[in-house]
Amino acid sequence: EVKMVESGGGLVKPGGSLRLSCAASGFTFNTYSMHWVRQAPGKGLEWVSSISTSSTYIYYTDSVKGRFTISRDDARNSLFLQMNSLRAEDTAVYYCARERVPGAGGWFDPRGQGTLVTVSS
Amino acid sequence: EVVLTQSPGTLSLSPGERATLSCRASQSIASYLAWYQQKPGLAPRLLIYDASNRATDIPARFSGSGSGTDFTLTIDSLEPEDFAVYYCQQRSNWPPYTFGQGTKLEIK
Repeated sequence: EVKMVESGGGLVKPGGSLRLSCAASGFTFNTYSMHWVRQAPGKGLEWVSSISTSSTYIYYTDSVKGRFTISRDDARNSLFLQMNSLRAEDTAVYYCARERVPGAGGWFDPRGQGTLVTVSS
Repeated sequence: EVVLTQSPGTLSLSPGERATLSCRASQSIASYLAWYQQKPGLAPRLLIYDASNRATDIPARFSGSGSGTDFTLTIDSLEPEDFAVYYCQQRSNWPPYTFGQGTKLEIK
């Protein structure tokens, strides 16, 4: 069974940092590009960042460039999102997602419950 | 950036009826469009990709159509579990990948 378990969310003050983790299982992690997608409370979905296999290609939405860093550890089947200089507008549930099938591009297949990040003083 | 506009914002229907949801792109995206279903408190689920292909284990009552700038998600004979929020998403011109604002399908 494909599973993704996000963790690391919590309450942080503006300007603070958090590191999100996503533990994946049930599929060959190192063959899939991975993504982070977020959803602010009561709002729609927003793509945050993507990382290709072997970390060859990395992309971010403009609003997080220079503040967030995506990474992966294929030996541990894990995806990470280091979030620095957090702002109130980063408050959201963060989902990790794999691509639908290896090499198929940007269709998201999230399988976890998400982790809530709240940025507030 | 490609802007996706979904309509209507809310759709009120009864079980057994057909639902038709629209997604319009601000520029041509060929067939690079997906549809997701999201229920409260859960992650979104991929329903349709490349405009008309059903994802794994998605029932046949869900179908997608369209190309270019206008796309439709049709749900034939609504089941109680189909009432949810639906999002479209494009991967034609990225980054960024973009989503529509969502259509809430509610029970009438």
